[in-house]
Amino acid sequence: EVQLVQSGAEVKKPGESLKISCKGSTYRFTDYWIGWVRQMPGKGLEWMGIIYPDDSDSKYSPSFQGQVTISADKSISTAYLQWSSLKASDTAMYYCARGGSGSYFGDAFDIWGQGTMVTVSS
Amino acid sequence: QLVLTQSPSASASLGASVKLTCTLSSGHSSYAIAWHQQQPEKGPRYLMKLNSDGTHNKGDGIPDRFSGSSSGAERYLTISSLQSEDEADYYCQTWGTGTFYVFGTGTKVTVL
Repeated sequence: EVQLVQSGAEVKKPGESLKISCKGSTYRFTDYWIGWVRQMPGKGLEWMGIIYPDDSDSKYSPSFQGQVTISADKSISTAYLQWSSLKASDTAMYYCARGGSGSYFGDAFDIWGQGTMVTVSS
Repeated sequence: QLVLTQSPSASASLGASVKLTCTLSSGHSSYAIAWHQQQPEKGPRYLMKLNSDGTHNKGDGIPDRFSGSSSGAERYLTISSLQSEDEADYYCQTWGTGTFYVFGTGTKVTVL
């Protein structure tokens, strides 16, 4: 079964750093873009950014550019989302999802991770 | 600007049908979209990719009760024989050079 498995829930304090992960399995990880999506409590889905694991080409939503960093380690089929200094407003569920294949990112998110809940509170 | 517009809510009786609409912004009527379902307290689930000509590719295991269609800038998701488990939020998604990805605001479906 093709799947994306995300790391577990995190509780952090404001100002702390964090890196969450998304591991792909049962497909060629380097062939597909991996996107990240934020869902704040009670709200809708927001696209944050996307990465092509084969060459780490990445693209960001203007809303998240400079706020987070997306990276990937193709040797272990894992993508990451990281913050250098968390804020309370970063409290949300974060999903990874598989996007397009090949050099063009654009396609439906057809496989979703189970989500990672990040809570930032003093 | 690439924008998707969805109605906030829809409802229908158990066993009936409901048709959800996702409208692409002006100048983007040829774009494909995807429909995703999010049941309460669960993550999103991919339902289908829907092209401008109405052809669609459903995800694995998606029941035949879910179908898609298109007309101009509008993309539709029809759920037939509504079941209690269909009560969920439904999001449309699209993508394009420059804007990259966009989600609609979601439609909450209530099964009466």
